[in-house]
Amino acid sequence: DTEVTQTPKHLVMGMTNKKSLKCEQHMGHRAMYWYKQKAKKPPELMFVYSYEKLSINESVPSRFSPECPNSSLLNLHLHALQPEDSALYLCASSQEVTGDTEAFFGQGTRLTVV
Amino acid sequence: AQSVAQPEDQVNVAEGNPLTVKCTYSVSGNPYLFWYVQYPNRGLQFLLKYITGDNLVKGSYGFEAEFNKSQTSFHLKKPSALVSDSALYFCAVGNFNKFYFGSGTKLNVKP
Repeated sequence: DTEVTQTPKHLVMGMTNKKSLKCEQHMGHRAMYWYKQKAKKPPELMFVYSYEKLSINESVPSRFSPECPNSSLLNLHLHALQPEDSALYLCASSQEVTGDTEAFFGQGTRLTVV
Repeated sequence: AQSVAQPEDQVNVAEGNPLTVKCTYSVSGNPYLFWYVQYPNRGLQFLLKYITGDNLVKGSYGFEAEFNKSQTSFHLKKPSALVSDSALYFCAVGNFNKFYFGSGTKLNVKP
């Protein structure tokens, strides 16, 4: 199994809603990532989890809250988002955190904030 | 600091012709270089990587890339383009815990 599975595929939420994005991998990867991607732009790193611990937060606003319940799961909790947060949110995983192993990406959650 | 640059926003090529998508890098230390492809509304798919060894790296779907240390380049190539290769291509450099992506190059392969 070389897949990273993200749910839901699409999400529309109001600015006062609370929602969560979910990501799952069963490749035994020790690093998991959240990226945000705007149309026709490269992915922007948000968070990195290494061995289930948060190792990098790229100064992401607190309305985004990551969680890693176990080595296979990664969540992104959303609260009080702004319309400019609308984007494709990508989860990825890699075997190690050394930078020389490729990342496997999920197909993303298309988020629209209204 | 680690960075990659993709000088072309868009590359147009006719089906059956060779294609090249350019990437240059700036890294301190040994570079870990990657190419990814993204189809519309999808995640990124890994194509190939250079870590060490042979400068010509072969990857998925007939793609290859040549690492050139003197020119600090890692161009993606394919001998014969297919219409289905039309997509957005990202070069990336790997550093501890992070991937730094280039701005992306849209490849258009016309029949």
